[in-house]
Amino acid sequence: SQKIEQNSEALNIQEGKTATLTCNYTNYSPAYLQWYRQDPGRGPVFLLLIRENEKEKRKERLKVTFDTTLKQSLFHITASQPADSATYLCALDPLNQAGTALIFGKGTTLSVSS
Amino acid sequence: SQTIHQWPATLVQPVGSPLSLECTVEGTSNPNLYWYRQAAGRGLQLLFYSVGIGQISSEVPQNLSASRPQDRQFILSSKKLLLSDSGFYLCAWMEAGGYEQYFGPGTRLTVT
Repeated sequence: SQKIEQNSEALNIQEGKTATLTCNYTNYSPAYLQWYRQDPGRGPVFLLLIRENEKEKRKERLKVTFDTTLKQSLFHITASQPADSATYLCALDPLNQAGTALIFGKGTTLSVSS
Repeated sequence: SQTIHQWPATLVQPVGSPLSLECTVEGTSNPNLYWYRQAAGRGLQLLFYSVGIGQISSEVPQNLSASRPQDRQFILSSKKLLLSDSGFYLCAWMEAGGYEQYFGPGTRLTVT
C-alpha cells in the first residue's frame, strides 16, 4: 500500500542544536516533496519544496534533502530556537501533476527548550 | 495579495444536525480549492478538492458533501452530523498548475 510516514511523533531538543526530522514514503515516486509548519490551532504554512533532481534545498536556517533511492526526505533546522517549536508536515503529490491534491504525513511535533 | 477566509472559527453541533462551513479566497482567480479534516492525533485527511466551478472530486466516502458555487467559494456540508465528524476542518487553495498550498485558519467542529 502507499504510505507517507514521519517516523517520530515528537522530538525534543535543546536550543542551539540541530533538529532533524524524517519523512519516508512507500510505493510513491514523487517528482517533488514539500514541507509545512503547523502551529497549534492554525493551518499549515508552506516552508520548502524540493524536486527529485535536487539533492538539497536551503532557506535561512532550514535545509531539506531528498533521496529518491532511500525514498526519504530529511528536514533540518540549524541553531534551533524555542520559536521553532511546532508540528512539521511533509507532503507529496501522488500523481506528480502540479495543481492536484497533496498527501500529507501525520507530522512530527518539535519542542525546542531554552 | 491573496487571502483565504473560513468561518465559523469554532462550532458545536449536536449529532444529527446539519452543517455548512464556508471558505472564500481573495486576490486570485480560478484557484484549486481543497477541504481537509484533521482529527485529534491524526494527520490531514483530504476530503474534497475542486479545480473549477461545479467540479468536485471526493476522496473519502462519507456523509459530507462539497460545493463550489462561485470561483472563489468552497462550501462543506452535511445533512446529518455524526460524532466522528468532529475535528479541525481546513480549507486550502493552490494556484492552478502550482505546487504549494495555502491554508485558511480552520474551523474547530465538535459534534456532541
